[in-house]
Amino acid sequence: AAGVIQSPRHLIKEKRETATLKCYPIPRHDTVYWYQQGPGQDPQFLISFYEKMQSDKGSIPDRFSAQQFSDYHSELNMSSLELGDSALYFCASSTAGTSNTEAFFGQGTRLTVV
Amino acid sequence: RKEVEQDPGPFNVPEGATVAFNCTYSNSASQSFFWYRQDCRKEPKLLMSVYSSGNEDGRFTAQLNRASQYISLLIRDSKLSDSATYLCVVARTGRRALTFGSGTRLQVQP
Repeated sequence: AAGVIQSPRHLIKEKRETATLKCYPIPRHDTVYWYQQGPGQDPQFLISFYEKMQSDKGSIPDRFSAQQFSDYHSELNMSSLELGDSALYFCASSTAGTSNTEAFFGQGTRLTVV
Repeated sequence: RKEVEQDPGPFNVPEGATVAFNCTYSNSASQSFFWYRQDCRKEPKLLMSVYSSGNEDGRFTAQLNRASQYISLLIRDSKLSDSATYLCVVARTGRRALTFGSGTRLQVQP
């Protein structure tokens, strides 16, 4: 069965550079979530989209932005990168609709800022 | 105080043991509950949803107590492959956001 696809799997950037992470949800899933997981931390919710519209916002820095496109894939854009942005970034998708159903996670993008 | 709290462990148990994890949530508007497992440096994987009536999937049993706002996960006959971090996840009514607990680490030993 198709899963959530994230790219790239690994990314190394320098401070103050920009990065774009991509997420392709499971077909027919209408909700996409982005999470950030630092070393030894639990996943922190950044932002979600439902039917291509931003749905909820968590602890996403102003330097980050995200959108969902007409084909339902989503991109997380990160600018003015800082060392503290080094983390695993997960995308998840679900058929949340009006309630929260099970979300399935991609394998993540490991971002290292040097 | 975190919205979802778990005992971080680690729980070190021998193979074949029964182990139970608890999780408490603070927001009474919480609507949906899940247990995920996460292996080191991998993505969280859904283990099971948690229903009000309690539910079982093989060696795993999940229970929800809305009055006390806690969720539990029972693992029977532990296997070495059960070693992982178990994440309690809660979703609130009207929000498309899953809130994770810090996870409970389980180490099953031979």
